[in-house]
Amino acid sequence: EVQIWESGGDLIQPRGSLRLSCEVSGLTFSNYAMNWVRQGPRRGLEWVSSVTSWGDSKYYADSVAGRFTVSRDNSRNTVYLDMSMLTAEDTAMYYCVAGSFTSWGQGTLVTVSS
Amino acid sequence: QAVVTQEPSLTVSPGGTVTLTCDFTAGAVTSDHSAYWFQQRPGQAPRTLIYDTKNKNSWTPARFSGSLLGGKAALTLSGALPEDEADYYCLLSYSGVRPWVFGGGTRLTVL
Repeated sequence: EVQIWESGGDLIQPRGSLRLSCEVSGLTFSNYAMNWVRQGPRRGLEWVSSVTSWGDSKYYADSVAGRFTVSRDNSRNTVYLDMSMLTAEDTAMYYCVAGSFTSWGQGTLVTVSS
Repeated sequence: QAVVTQEPSLTVSPGGTVTLTCDFTAGAVTSDHSAYWFQQRPGQAPRTLIYDTKNKNSWTPARFSGSLLGGKAALTLSGALPEDEADYYCLLSYSGVRPWVFGGGTRLTVL
């Protein structure tokens, strides 16, 4: 069974930075792309970022490009999302999703507020 | 930027059948778009029901099926149960540097 744990969500001030982590077990991590999806308060799902299995290609939504950076450490079965210049619009539950959007974590909450 | 549209809300009677659709402003949805369908119950994380247009996960109830219908991706629920009341989202893949886009979601009411 695939298990996913996100961590790092916090209350952060506008223009601040934050790193989210996502640890995965139950699959051969280095064989799978990884994705981040977010959901703002009372809003729908928004694709944020994806990284290929060995980290050679990375993709970002327009809303976060230039501010967020996705990376992974296959030796630790972990993917990261580094977020900077955060605004209130980034307030959301951030979900880590494994592979071809097959398995979802429970999410970690990021709140951007002064 | 490509936009994916879904019905904002639908209602189905218990035991009834309903089809949710996923439309793409950039053109007809095909198998190349690898349509996904996700179910999200209140207060829960989403879970994947359908991947690659019509494939089911081991936990996907048999009453759900995915297809292409009239240039759209479709999720059909046959024999609705009260527990199927949830938000449903589609996700499409398209080429380019922004490879994934979600639809706005459909709130399904079983009533």
